[in-house]
Amino acid sequence: TQLLEQSPQFLSIQEGENLTVYCNSSSVFSSLQWYRQEPGEGPVLLVTVVTGGEVKKLKRLTFQFGDARKDSSLHITAAQPGDTGLYLCAGGNDYKLSFGAGTTVTVRA
Amino acid sequence: DSGVTQTPKHLITATGQRVTLRCSPRSGDLSVYWYQQSLDQGLQFLIQYYNGEERAKGNILERFSAQQFPDLHSELNLSSLELGDSALYFCASSVLGGAEKLFFGSGTQLSVL
Repeated sequence: TQLLEQSPQFLSIQEGENLTVYCNSSSVFSSLQWYRQEPGEGPVLLVTVVTGGEVKKLKRLTFQFGDARKDSSLHITAAQPGDTGLYLCAGGNDYKLSFGAGTTVTVRA
Repeated sequence: DSGVTQTPKHLITATGQRVTLRCSPRSGDLSVYWYQQSLDQGLQFLIQYYNGEERAKGNILERFSAQQFPDLHSELNLSSLELGDSALYFCASSVLGGAEKLFFGSGTQLSVL
């Protein structure tokens, strides 16, 4: 059983459309991170959020941390083929970082 | 390039065998993490070392062991291999080891036949 549940599992959209990926847990985390992983590579950190209710923007990507620090969302505006990849959320407590199963995003040109 | 080096990139072996995966962390990072990634289980935390000492343990089997050496490189030893051990094994490093930003290597693809 995953500590962090991500939805949807797969997402395929056309270039220019918007998308949202969700990450939910019954546990409270001191921080939540989002990574993107491309085939044949390790995950690369996109953002870390630490405060409940926090919203961070990174160009076309918007990350939100829930008020209770149990859930998070990642919104991509005007998706591009370069956004294609596996998006992973990870919750941190003490020394452990637990990952969700990921959402595979495919952006078609 | 994350600065984390993992070798080998691919490893093919038979059931019952033993293999060693090697990881060199980014320069200056004191903590090393090992993760296993498979299609059905996702990215599973195995074990973490900080400055040579084991700091946290996750879902690591008794057949698996790891260590971090004085020069901070780490090795993950997998023994009595089973078909189900086939997976991508990632090493990651961080400066302090407090579940902050992790830098991942490119992984070792292990295939047990």
